[in-house]
Amino acid sequence: DAGVIQSPRHEVTEMGQEVTLRCKPISGHDYLFWYRQTMMQGLELLVYFNNKAVMDDSGMPKDRFSAKMPNASFSTLKIQPSEPRDSAVYFCASRSSREQFFGPGTRLTVL
Amino acid sequence: AQSVTQLGSHVSVSEGALVLLRCNYSSSVPPYLFWYVQYPNQGLQLLLKYTSAATLVKGINGFEAEFKKSETSFHLTKPSAHMSDAAEYFCAVSDRSSYKLIFGSGTRLLVRP
Repeated sequence: DAGVIQSPRHEVTEMGQEVTLRCKPISGHDYLFWYRQTMMQGLELLVYFNNKAVMDDSGMPKDRFSAKMPNASFSTLKIQPSEPRDSAVYFCASRSSREQFFGPGTRLTVL
Repeated sequence: AQSVTQLGSHVSVSEGALVLLRCNYSSSVPPYLFWYVQYPNQGLQLLLKYTSAATLVKGINGFEAEFKKSETSFHLTKPSAHMSDAAEYFCAVSDRSSYKLIFGSGTRLLVRP
């Protein structure tokens, strides 16, 4: 298996633009998580899905962030409009038998 | 609410020396506990996990951790550090009904030649 796949690996955009981050979980994993890592806040859970349904999005700013999982093999995290404070590394992870497998992350820079 | 405290944002050891990274947790219910390692520009990789079986847990790359309920600790150790162990290490906790991981702030391990 290729592991959790994230795209793009790097994204540079300007404030106000829409950004879409993509994730393909490991086949057969029914939980998917989105985390954000910053120097100031560390690793924070934004949202997670079970069988494509949102289980908890309490960590996600609702005014500009949205997360979807239209099928078992694909998820998106969208930021609209983006702001400089959204600059971070965004990780996607999928879960099997109590272990989460992390993707390589998307480094987002908002200028 | 659950939380994790990692003492020491940076730990420096000589190659061949004992590695000890500290983690204390707070949880109102029996927790699951994890240690992850992150190499530069990479995602997180699971080192080991405690899920209520043996209190001494052995992981990959020679690491182990001991769950001590009385001390609410889950410290990570390795008898002899290698240069390749230089990375950032995260302790994490989750409860047994949710699968959310709550991470500590991380400890960067530096290994001196």
